[in-house]
Amino acid sequence: DGGITQSPKYLFRKEGQNVTLSCEQNLNHDAMYWYRQDPGQGLRLIYYSQIVNDFQKGDIAEGYSVSREKKESFPLTVTSAQKNPTAFYLCASTLRGKGMNTEAFFGQGTRLTVV
Amino acid sequence: DQQVKQNSPSLSVQEGRISILNCDYTNSMFDYFLWYKKYPAEGPTFLISISSIKDKNEDGRFTVFLNKSAKHLSLHIVPSQPGDSAVYFCAASSFRYGNKLVFGAGTILRVKS
Repeated sequence: DGGITQSPKYLFRKEGQNVTLSCEQNLNHDAMYWYRQDPGQGLRLIYYSQIVNDFQKGDIAEGYSVSREKKESFPLTVTSAQKNPTAFYLCASTLRGKGMNTEAFFGQGTRLTVV
Repeated sequence: DQQVKQNSPSLSVQEGRISILNCDYTNSMFDYFLWYKKYPAEGPTFLISISSIKDKNEDGRFTVFLNKSAKHLSLHIVPSQPGDSAVYFCAASSFRYGNKLVFGAGTILRVKS
């Protein structure tokens, strides 16, 4: 079955530590995205990548870093510079094509808590 | 600057009745609109979409209406069922922006039996 897998489902981090959230897709999608959800807010875009070895900052990129070395994988690192990292993180992917609109498929999310 | 707005944080509807969820957008470059349904601690699942060349799209109990001149879209659920209780997110995109989705804040729908 094709889909997006995020791991781990729950993650605890001590203050000052970097942590990396995994996102893998086998949908052969070109573009991948990281969103963050906070209570009472919509999904805010952190970073996105439309092609391997290329990525762009979203609306709230400060304190985060990403890499896109493989089409299937788009890991997100939450660095110690992120002042308020406790949130629900969602990874998504879409096909990318000129003149073509398409929906995004989401993973099940990772709940990150700073302790 | 919120480009996609869902002004109703919550909505409560009786089972069997119609649920109407609203969404407004400000960027006229958006040409594709989507609705997602989300349960707590899960990823959003795609529900229904509409292209800007249409004004209505229907899929079973779900219908999305688009009013481009008003930059407004709505999702109608008829009849509403208790299993529809979830958070509904409106999203907009443009293939010019690589299909990057911009989300509203969501509306919590509660369907009472």
